[in-house]
Amino acid sequence: DQQVKQNSPSLSVQEGRISILNCDYTNSMFDYFLWYKKYPAEGPTFLISISSIKDKNEDGRFTVFLNKSAKHLSLHIVPSQPGDSAVYFCAASGNSGNTPLVFGKGTRLSVIA
Amino acid sequence: NAGVMQNPRHLVRRRGQEARLRCSPMKGHSHVYWYRQLPEEGLKFMVYLQKENIIDESGMPKERFSAEFPKEGPSILRIQQVVRGDSAAYFCASSPRIAGVSTDTQYFGPGTRLTVL
Repeated sequence: DQQVKQNSPSLSVQEGRISILNCDYTNSMFDYFLWYKKYPAEGPTFLISISSIKDKNEDGRFTVFLNKSAKHLSLHIVPSQPGDSAVYFCAASGNSGNTPLVFGKGTRLSVIA
Repeated sequence: NAGVMQNPRHLVRRRGQEARLRCSPMKGHSHVYWYRQLPEEGLKFMVYLQKENIIDESGMPKERFSAEFPKEGPSILRIQQVVRGDSAAYFCASSPRIAGVSTDTQYFGPGTRLTVL
């Protein structure tokens, strides 16, 4: 039973364009959502998060959108850069982050120069 | 450098041996989480610890696996009598759990890659 789903295993985007990574969840108790970026042989690096009381959070080139009614969130990267090529994990938590994270399987983003 | 530290980065064990994985949280963080990642999978929660306490071990296999976070020193994930299926990347994360802060972010270490021969 996968509570957090990233249905696109991979995504290719041209440098300078927008990358949109999607994530769906099933557990309505989740109230805190995070995106992590992971390079091979390294640990996940925290990118951006959003609480369920918001529908958008922006940090530089990264914006996360949350649609609670659809149980869907997305990460927008604009403009995309070659250094953004990595695996992106969506994660969810209950109790405002004070519980273990539930991860999706990840989306591999390739930004082509 | 105040990042989460894990050692060793790579660990090779033969079936039946013990594996010990260590995690030092970020300075000022008192909460530690262990996750396991199998190939082509996301990270799966194993155990959540506070100093000298196990808060949630719902993701830990019932046998051979144990974890501790002593008052002094790093958190340790111990796997006894390893089997080939234990081969995976094991990640530790820490969080500060600051009183009055409404949300809490976990920061990850570089992981330990365990290979069981």
